[in-house]
Amino acid sequence: DGGITQSPKYLFRKEGQNVTLSCEQNLNHDAMYWYRQDPGQGLRLIYYSQIVNDFQKGDIAEGYSVSREKKESFPLTVTSAQKNPTAFYLCASSPRQGGEQFFGPGTRLTVL
Amino acid sequence: AQTVTQSQPEMSVQEAETVTLSCTYDTSENNYYLFWYKQPPSRQMILVIRQEAYKQQNATENRFSVNFQKAAKSFSLKISDSQLGDTAMYFCAFMKPIQGAQKLVFGQGTRLTINP
Repeated sequence: DGGITQSPKYLFRKEGQNVTLSCEQNLNHDAMYWYRQDPGQGLRLIYYSQIVNDFQKGDIAEGYSVSREKKESFPLTVTSAQKNPTAFYLCASSPRQGGEQFFGPGTRLTVL
Repeated sequence: AQTVTQSQPEMSVQEAETVTLSCTYDTSENNYYLFWYKQPPSRQMILVIRQEAYKQQNATENRFSVNFQKAAKSFSLKISDSQLGDTAMYFCAFMKPIQGAQKLVFGQGTRLTINP
């Protein structure tokens, strides 16, 4: 089945540690995105990538980093510089030519 | 910058009733897309319906329809014959297409509960 997978589903991190969230898609989409969702708020864009080896900052990129070495993969690293990382993280992808974004199931990150 | 406002944090209706969720947006763009996404308790984001700004006809998908008022910058979602499975958070989103990618701007959501 074509779709987007995210792992792990739940992630716990100690303060001061970096963690990496995985996102993989087999939809052959060129563009991929990372969003953060906090309680009572909509989704906010962290980073997006239009093509392999290229990515741009979204609205809340501070404390996060990404890479796009393969078309299918767009991992997100939450660094120790992110002051309030506890949130629900959603990955999405879309065709280069436009259209709606398709979302993965999400990762719940909790800082202990 | 574009903004999206959903003025109803929570709504509750009885099964089989019709319910309308409100959304307004602010933009100076002429060509754009609008979406309604549903997020059930599983937290999976599911596309409900989309509307292209250049189309005057309101989009319809089975029990879901929109009332798109471009001049008023309003984009409401109507759910007819509501079902228990419609219980979810609903997000309105604005998208401006840019070459190679699209940036979505989301509203804060409306929590809809369908009661038996």
